[in-house]
Amino acid sequence: ETGVTQTPRHLVMGMTNKKSLKCEQHLGHNAMYWYKQSAKKPLELMFVYNFKEQTENNSVPSRFSPECPNSSHLFLHLHTLQPEDSALYLCASSQGESLSYNEQFFGPGTRLTVL
Amino acid sequence: GESVGLHLPTLSVQEGDNSIINCAYSNSASDYFIWYKQESGKGPQFIIDIRSNMDKRQGQRVTVLLNKTVKHLSLQIAATQPGDSAVYFCAEIDGNKLVFGAGTILRVKS
Repeated sequence: ETGVTQTPRHLVMGMTNKKSLKCEQHLGHNAMYWYKQSAKKPLELMFVYNFKEQTENNSVPSRFSPECPNSSHLFLHLHTLQPEDSALYLCASSQGESLSYNEQFFGPGTRLTVL
Repeated sequence: GESVGLHLPTLSVQEGDNSIINCAYSNSASDYFIWYKQESGKGPQFIIDIRSNMDKRQGQRVTVLLNKTVKHLSLQIAATQPGDSAVYFCAEIDGNKLVFGAGTILRVKS
């Protein structure tokens, strides 16, 4: 609906598993973002990519590894996660990286549960 | 220990009434603010924005008011409808990042 799709929509994984979240935007945007939305904290920015280059890493633990092969696709690789990493992971895109006056379009999110 | 979640404030309004959702922001240097709506099972959706050189902006059925003196933002929804039921977030620009508030749950009673 928003032009940003995320897969899978739900994911359950053990602490030793490796999994990846995928985001694709069909809006021709240049910037893409990963956010974490948990029950304990407000929506938090994790990573920003602009023209495939990472421009922001908001002190995210290395067990989260982003990848942006092109301006339309964004991945979040997960490895050795902790139960407190269980959250809704949201992808967003915008025309440019500058947040002033650049509306971000969000995907529906991946609901991640770490056992 | 037992995990504690965010306790979001809840606003319950009767269908057809006006709703006012409030937000306090922290950074007096913020120059751009956005209201988002998040329905169950969906990502946040842009509603309306306002620059710091304005104190009011109107959209379709929504109005945002900005009081920089007390660092307060409000979202007014006219003639609230059941489809307005959602969590509403304000967000401010801090440097080059969007910083979101905790959110307010709006429940519309028919």
